[in-house]
Formats: sequence, C-alpha cells, structure tokens
Amino acid sequence: AQSVTQLDSQVPVFEEAPVELRCNYSSSVSVYLFWYVQYPNQGLQLLLKYLSGSTLVKGINGFEAEFNKSQTSFHLRKPSVHISDTAEYFCAVSGTFGNEKLTFGTGTRLTIIP
Amino acid sequence: DAGITQSPRHKVTETGTPVTLRCHQTENHRYMYWYRQDPGHGLRLIHYSYGVKDTDKGEVSDGYSVSRSKTEDFLLTLESATSSQTSVYFCAIRDLPAGQIANTIYFGEGSWLTVV
Repeated sequence: AQSVTQLDSQVPVFEEAPVELRCNYSSSVSVYLFWYVQYPNQGLQLLLKYLSGSTLVKGINGFEAEFNKSQTSFHLRKPSVHISDTAEYFCAVSGTFGNEKLTFGTGTRLTIIP
Repeated sequence: DAGITQSPRHKVTETGTPVTLRCHQTENHRYMYWYRQDPGHGLRLIHYSYGVKDTDKGEVSDGYSVSRSKTEDFLLTLESATSSQTSVYFCAIRDLPAGQIANTIYFGEGSWLTVV
C-alpha cells in the first residue's frame, strides 16, 4: 500500500513569485506519481506525471516536478505564478503493477495574492 | 476531455432516501471509479469496476453500492443517504494514452450531493 503526505494545506504566494508545493510519499514498491489541479467547482485535471526516466517532469501551465527517490518526494514548482493558478493541488501515487489504484494526498490550496 | 459525463451535477436529498449517481463514458474504457472528495481527506476511492458486472470495493465503500450493466455506465447508489455522505462525488476512468507505459486516471466534473 502507498500513502501520500501534503504537509501544507494552504500556501499563499504573491503574483509573479515562485512557488513550491510539497509532496512526500511512502511505498514499499516502485511507484508512479501524479499531480492534479482542481479549479473552483470543477473536476480534477492532470497537471503532470512521473512514470520513469528523467526525474524532472514538465507539465501544463508552466509547472514542473522533480522525483527524488532517496527523499521519497515529488515536489511541484513554478518559477512565476499568476492569478489563474489559484486552485487546489493534489499529489497522488500508485504502484506500478496490475490494477494499481491511485492514493491521494489531502491537497494544498494555492492562493495567489495580487 | 476523457468523455465522462456525471449526472446529476447537483442534488439535495433527505436523510434516509435512496440516491443514484450516474457516470457515463463514451470511449469504451474498461476501468471506471467512484471517488468522494471531502475537506481534509482529499479523494478517497469508494468502488471501482474493471468490466461489465465486475466491481470491487475501495477504502470507503460502506453505505454505497455500484452497478455496471453496460460498459459506458457506472452507477453509484446510496441505499439510505446519511448526512455523512454529503460530499462531492467524482467518477473517473483509466486510460493508457498512446506511447505511454502506464495508465492515467481522468476525472469527470463531479456531482455535488447534500443530504439534509
């Protein structure tokens, strides 16, 4: 079984400043890692994912994340945020074999301050 | 767009009444899922299906049942709704995008359910 920890429930950031949303996972097996974004009153949209290969993964809207196996982390970053990035962000993990289900973190609400 | 439609999108119901949420997909995906989203809990899996008439429980299945009589439809039923089932319910499908080595889960727009 896997678990995900998103320590920051809320992150306020000034517009055009950089941001990092933290995600740590726990698993006894190899994992795939995902970040989803949820805009107000909408469903979840896949932001980016790590499956294998390069540990630096680029996603939509200028976001990127780095897989760090030794620290069991998959932090999400953006060098300069915009008002439109205001949303809730969810980190998720799954195993790599068979019908592995997604396990989600509790989410981080990113608020951009003008 | 993963071709997922949820209905109803919003519903208010009374405690003790049965409620059915419908998830409809148009792209013949084998795997379908029902999650609920609650503050402080993220998304938690209720039930999932891996084919017609093939379903299994997730981590928060108590009080819920599901049915899948057709590939395109996955129904979630609350047999007797309780206030603790007030939540946002998301349907999802699993897809293997072209050129990818692993599946990705795609979500519908959600169904907001209030039990009063």
